[in-house]
Amino acid sequence: SQQGEEDPQALSIQEGENATMNCSYKTSINNLQWYRQNSGRGLVHLILIRSNEREKHSGRLRVTLDTSKKSSSLLITASRAADTASYFCATGLNQAGTALIFGKGTTLSVSS
Amino acid sequence: DTAVSQTPKYLVTQMGNDKSIKCEQNLGHDTMYWYKQDSKKFLKIMFSYNNKELIINETVPNRFSPKSPDKAHLNLHINSLELGDSAVYFCASSQAPEGRVNGYTFGSGTRLTVV
Repeated sequence: SQQGEEDPQALSIQEGENATMNCSYKTSINNLQWYRQNSGRGLVHLILIRSNEREKHSGRLRVTLDTSKKSSSLLITASRAADTASYFCATGLNQAGTALIFGKGTTLSVSS
Repeated sequence: DTAVSQTPKYLVTQMGNDKSIKCEQNLGHDTMYWYKQDSKKFLKIMFSYNNKELIINETVPNRFSPKSPDKAHLNLHINSLELGDSAVYFCASSQAPEGRVNGYTFGSGTRLTVV
């Protein structure tokens, strides 16, 4: 069953602008992860945030997690054309016999 | 030095055929996965192995059979291919289940087209 829902489905911005993507989920989680997928390629792990963390940074990426609202956001600052890709959130439940459950993704287009 | 490699990258075949997709990882990870990505980019877990033992077997047709000869390899065999099997199949691996240490490493995918 699908756990994460990204919002918006598609986002178009200019180079230099910030891009914000949101993810909502339904059940309690152990961790939430964000992945990037360039067209025709595999997914690349960007960042992992645990349920007891509220914010994490990695370079131009900032991820927040609000477990009371069951939501997370990914902020990409100073976007570049190379950031054009689909971005997926994935939730981990830390239960036996489970795997990451992915959302449907946000397609980001950054134009120069 | 590819971390997770899948072969073939593209696979075009006729309905009713049997085909296999191979996956190998050189990261020393214990857990491997097969995901299916449909035309709307939705990723769905199919199978997961931890150190050669099957730990996840989602509701997929039994025409799909995974095989893990050792913890570095996870292959996917598909019998009697149907049009609806057309998708991109991704192999992934992780150090810990659910990638709860540092995420998954994905292969580049196998685009399967059934005609």
